[in-house]
Amino acid sequence: GESVGLHLPTLSVQEGDNSIINCAYSNSASDYFIWYKQESGKGPQFIIDIRSNMDKRQGQRVTVLLNKTVKHLSLQIAATQPGDSAVYFCAETSTDSWGKLQFGAGTQVVVTP
Amino acid sequence: ETGVTQSPTHLIKTRGQQVTLRCSSQSGHNTVSWYQQALGQGPQFIFQYYREEENGRGNFPPRFSGLQFPNYSSELNVNALELDDSALYLCASSLTGGAGEKLFFGSGTQLSVL
Repeated sequence: GESVGLHLPTLSVQEGDNSIINCAYSNSASDYFIWYKQESGKGPQFIIDIRSNMDKRQGQRVTVLLNKTVKHLSLQIAATQPGDSAVYFCAETSTDSWGKLQFGAGTQVVVTP
Repeated sequence: ETGVTQSPTHLIKTRGQQVTLRCSSQSGHNTVSWYQQALGQGPQFIFQYYREEENGRGNFPPRFSGLQFPNYSSELNVNALELDDSALYLCASSLTGGAGEKLFFGSGTQLSVL
């Protein structure tokens, strides 16, 4: 079936460097994409979202890029900090899915000093 | 803090037993969704409730059921527990549940089935 997936299960990044987390999606009907951060012992925390009519959106230290041609989503974190260490999930949904999110498997980001 | 609280935080059950997990949504949020997160995987949508009615269901058997109450609390019930039901169960609330609304997740209930 159609699903959201991630290319890299673990990403090791040096403190201060930029991080890039990638995600591939296959459901062409999805029109809304979200990145979540999940720290140990906590639920997913909203980071940033993007609608399918956009290809880039920026937040505080984070940027999400959407390439609908190749069905690819990425999250860029600028100047990665130790507090950014967590598992990052991309998720997709559509107007017809009434809020049902389809999550990918996640990428573990480890920030080293 | 998201304003979404879940109880208990941890629970141990045996195969065949029944379990009830509880969630208290953010005040004013009419929609609650439940997700199952197996170890090392992303959350999987179980179902969603809007104003006390089930409004969308994922690929979970009928032994997974839920209730939503007028006071923004909800329950997830699982009957005839199986070993594979061991997972982190997350609830999330939103205002109306429409695509594009932020979901606010609780910290989850870790269920272990022995």
